[in-house]
Amino acid sequence: GAGVSQSPRYKVAKRGQDVALRCDPISGHVSLFWYQQALGQGPEFLTYFQNEAQLDKSGLPSDRFFAERPEGSVSTLKIQRTQQEDSAVYLCASSSPWTDATNEKLFFGSGTQLSVL
Amino acid sequence: AQKITQTQPGMFVQEKEAVTLDCTYDTSDQSYGLFWYKQPSSGEMIFLIYQGSYDEQNATEGRYSLNFQKARKSANLVISASQLGDSAMYFCAMREGLYNQGGKLIFGQGTELSVKP
Repeated sequence: GAGVSQSPRYKVAKRGQDVALRCDPISGHVSLFWYQQALGQGPEFLTYFQNEAQLDKSGLPSDRFFAERPEGSVSTLKIQRTQQEDSAVYLCASSSPWTDATNEKLFFGSGTQLSVL
Repeated sequence: AQKITQTQPGMFVQEKEAVTLDCTYDTSDQSYGLFWYKQPSSGEMIFLIYQGSYDEQNATEGRYSLNFQKARKSANLVISASQLGDSAMYFCAMREGLYNQGGKLIFGQGTELSVKP
């Protein structure tokens, strides 16, 4: 596809369930980011991949959150034992492989809205 | 410490008039980038405009312009000739470092813009 694709679009989970959120970045994009956006707030950084390497996971709120990108393309964000405070929109974004600073766009997907009951 | 501050939770503007959305930022880096994104109710983050810290001229993209005042650390977005489709959440963001060096976007809290017919 032409853009960043995320699935599912909506996810309802019971407290304590595990969930997996998928991100399919734009083909060839090296950098991939996950963000968490609580209702009425700006997105907050969770983690960053360069190809398959997870170079920054400083934003992951707890060890229940785990992300992977094993082949350097599709990424999965997994949340174990979900809790109500995990309810948010999870956004994935990717950027071009070019190091040229004039290419500044970060392309976002439409997000996965997670509701934990 | 809050790195991006948007002090206007909500703004109203009459169709066809101009509106300014405020953004101040805090960084000790010399090299950084400033962005504005639009988020309609569909949830996707849409890139609007970018300003590099070394750019001497204010960035413009169609009806959008960025009023960059480096000494005051402000990066206000000006939307000229507002349209009904401009109604959305607007986020100011800052990036320290390039994406492929793990430079992540840090977002403000957002401003909800409503355009009145």
